[in-house]
Amino acid sequence: QVQLQESGPGLVKPSETLSLTCTVSGDSISSHYWSWIRQPPGKGLEYIGYTYYSGTTNYNPSLKSRVTISEDTSKNQFSLRLNSVTAADTAVYYCARVRLRHSIDFWGQGTLVTVSS
Amino acid sequence: QSVLTQPPSVSGAPGQRVTISCAGSSSNIGAGYDVHWYQQLPGTAPKLLIWGNDNRPSGVPDRFSGSKSGTSASLAISGLQAEDEAHYYCQSYDNNLSGPHVVFGGGTNLTVL
Repeated sequence: QVQLQESGPGLVKPSETLSLTCTVSGDSISSHYWSWIRQPPGKGLEYIGYTYYSGTTNYNPSLKSRVTISEDTSKNQFSLRLNSVTAADTAVYYCARVRLRHSIDFWGQGTLVTVSS
Repeated sequence: QSVLTQPPSVSGAPGQRVTISCAGSSSNIGAGYDVHWYQQLPGTAPKLLIWGNDNRPSGVPDRFSGSKSGTSASLAISGLQAEDEAHYYCQSYDNNLSGPHVVFGGGTNLTVL
């Protein structure tokens, strides 16, 4: 069974960089696409981006200037960096596996990141 | 404002059939990209319910079905049960001037009366 687990600070100061890591078990990140999705409190889902092992990335145009998604195949992990955060970036952040026709078949449990001084 | 438009809420009595719509445009659903549906129970991560417009992953009851036509898609839930009360999201792929990327609907809150 594929499992994903997000990790990282739960509190980030405004203007700083949000950094999260997703550890994957039960599958190799060298296969498939791996994505970050977020959900502000009480709101809907927002796609952040995905990475593919070849170094290919795809980002939400509205976040593209601030986002970097990268992979560490030696640790079977992928990571998210979001620069210059504001309170609007407060959300539950999910890592997930992208599969057939861009469907998302496995999700992490999510981690709440709050942007506040 | 979401690229895909869903009704904020729908409701139905146990045993009834409800549908949730997902309206897109010529740059996403209408361009031929598939639609996927997710169920999110309170306090949990979303769960894939329908993929590729009308395919159910293993373990999803056949009470759930999906369809797509033109620039829109629908999720139907028949034989409504109390445990179906959740938020439902549609998802597709969009390729406009900003570049191709995944898009979600704003979500629909299903209430079982």
